[in-house]
Amino acid sequence: DAMVIQNPRYQVTQFGKPVTLSCSQTLNHNVMYWYQQKSSQAPKLLFHYYDKDFNNEADTPDNFQSRRPNTSFCFLDIRSPGLGDAAMYLCATSSDRYQETQYFGPGTRLLVL
Amino acid sequence: SQQGEEDPQALSIQEGENATMNCSYKTSINNLQWYRQNSGRGLVHLILIRSNEREKHSGRLRVTLDTSKKSSSLLITASRAADTASYFCATVSRGNTPLVFGKGTRLSVIA
Repeated sequence: DAMVIQNPRYQVTQFGKPVTLSCSQTLNHNVMYWYQQKSSQAPKLLFHYYDKDFNNEADTPDNFQSRRPNTSFCFLDIRSPGLGDAAMYLCATSSDRYQETQYFGPGTRLLVL
Repeated sequence: SQQGEEDPQALSIQEGENATMNCSYKTSINNLQWYRQNSGRGLVHLILIRSNEREKHSGRLRVTLDTSKKSSSLLITASRAADTASYFCATVSRGNTPLVFGKGTRLSVIA
């Protein structure tokens, strides 16, 4: 089945220690998104790629960066995690920007000690 | 920035009853989408309704859209314990902005 895969499902890191979360998709979608979701809150868009075109949300901290080496893979790098970065990180894809249904992975729960 | 506001924040019903959740938004939209999220999991798309549509059905789901009131409702008929989840509305505004999610409604269906 075509799907969105996130690894790892759970990630524990130390305060200030860089961490990378990964996402892959078999849907061959042009657009990939990263969301941050804290407990009982709405998913908050961090950034998205339209093909190789990177789009950063205005309020996304500089501490968060992303890479998309090819259509299938996208990475979220947190350079110096703080306690406030503990959250669920969701990757999603869509065939086109803005209008279309998004397909989500299962998420990576990040814990910062 | 948050666009949609779901109401109620939490809803608890018995299995077999209908569940209705409402979403209000602020700006003109291209489409409105509903998603479900089981605890600790990713979101699953349920239904998309475009600004020129008033009602859509999918299985036990019925979505209405009133653009004059900037509101939408999601009705789940004959609810099941497996419907227990959080339900989010999300909007794509005119001018083509990415999806913006509301805070969600937590639905509990008691067997």
